[in-house]
Parts: sequence; structure tokens; C-alpha cells
Amino acid sequence: QKEVEQNSGPLSVPEGAIASLNCTYSDRGSQSFFWYRQYSGKSPELIMSIYSNGDKEDGRFTAQLNKASQYVSLLIRDSQPSDSATYLCAARPPGGFKTIFGAGTRLFVKA
Amino acid sequence: NAGVTQTPKFQVLKTGQSMTLQCAQDMNHNSMYWYRQDPGMGLRLIYYSASEGTTDKGEVPNGYNVSRLNKREFSLRLESAAPSQTSVYFCASSEAQYNEQFFGPGTRLTVL
Repeated sequence: QKEVEQNSGPLSVPEGAIASLNCTYSDRGSQSFFWYRQYSGKSPELIMSIYSNGDKEDGRFTAQLNKASQYVSLLIRDSQPSDSATYLCAARPPGGFKTIFGAGTRLFVKA
Repeated sequence: NAGVTQTPKFQVLKTGQSMTLQCAQDMNHNSMYWYRQDPGMGLRLIYYSASEGTTDKGEVPNGYNVSRLNKREFSLRLESAAPSQTSVYFCASSEAQYNEQFFGPGTRLTVL
């Protein structure tokens, strides 16, 4: 069973701090990885995609991928109350169309 | 661009009733997907369509059927609704199989 595991949280950080969200995946052959943000009652919204080892930065967000450890993370710098949401990690195993989603980590940013 | 649109937004059905969830995208994407999301279980793929004219089963296809009407539209049908199908249903699309998926606003379905 291919899986993507996330700590369900909630992860609570003060405003202005760095929030670190982590994810592990079971299929070593996975090549594509995605982070989505989902506000309560809303649909998932793509934040970042990452395909190669290392860091990828976009504004306050940095995605990190370590294929040897089968580990993906998302760092949110200068966290804001508006970042409070559930963050979904997803991995695309090789072949096929089945993106595997984690159950999500709830983030709460305290003002 | 509207992106991915879904209708209806909310629906309440009685056990045994049927209904069709509609999805359309205006991004000229080739691939479309139907997911359900239940508390604590994340998103689970019901059916997908790699390209116009093709459909395939996902992780939880039982009790559902789909139609890829054209490149823009992908519908999900519940022939005989059951309480276990109470969920939030999301449609998504992507340019190709390895690309990012973009989600519609969702349909909140309750089966009594």
C-alpha cells in the first residue's frame, strides 16, 4: 500500500515564527511531490511542487525534498494568522495517475 | 478563467436515490479526477480520466460511475446512494499526468 504520512497536529506557532511541516512517503520511486493548503470548508489549493532533491523557495514558502530519506517538508517563514489551515502533502508514484495524498497537518498561527 | 467548477455545492439524498455531480474546467487540461474527502482519511481517488475518451478506476470506485463528456467536462454518478457515500467530493484537473492538479470548490453530499 503506497502511503504518505503526516502528523495530524495541530501544530501551533506564534505569529512571525517559522512553521515546519513534515511528510514521509513509502514509494521510493516517487518523482513528483506537492504541497496543498486547505482552509476549513474549502478546496485544496496548490502551494508548491518539487521534483528534485534540495530546496525550492517561493516567497515565504520553502519546500525541501530528500529522496534518500523519502522525506518532504514545507517551511513557512514569518507565519501569519492567515496561514492557519490544513496542509496536505502529496506524492506521485511512477507510472499511472494516482497521486497519493496525506491526511494533512493542521497549522494554527497565534496572533 | 473560472478554473474548475462543480455543481451542485450541496446536496442531500435519501438512500437509494441517484444523482450526478458535474465538473467542468476551462484550462484546456487533458486529465481530470474525482476525489472524495472524509475526516482523517485525506483525499481518495474515485475515478480519473487521463484524456478525453478514457476513464479508469481509482482507489474507491465502488458505487460510482463517470463520464468524460468532452475535454472540459467530467461527471460523477451515484446510481443508488448509500449513507457511506456521505462525503465531500472534489473534482480536479491537470495538464498532464505528472503535473500539478487544480481543484474545484467541492460538493458536500449527505445521504440519509
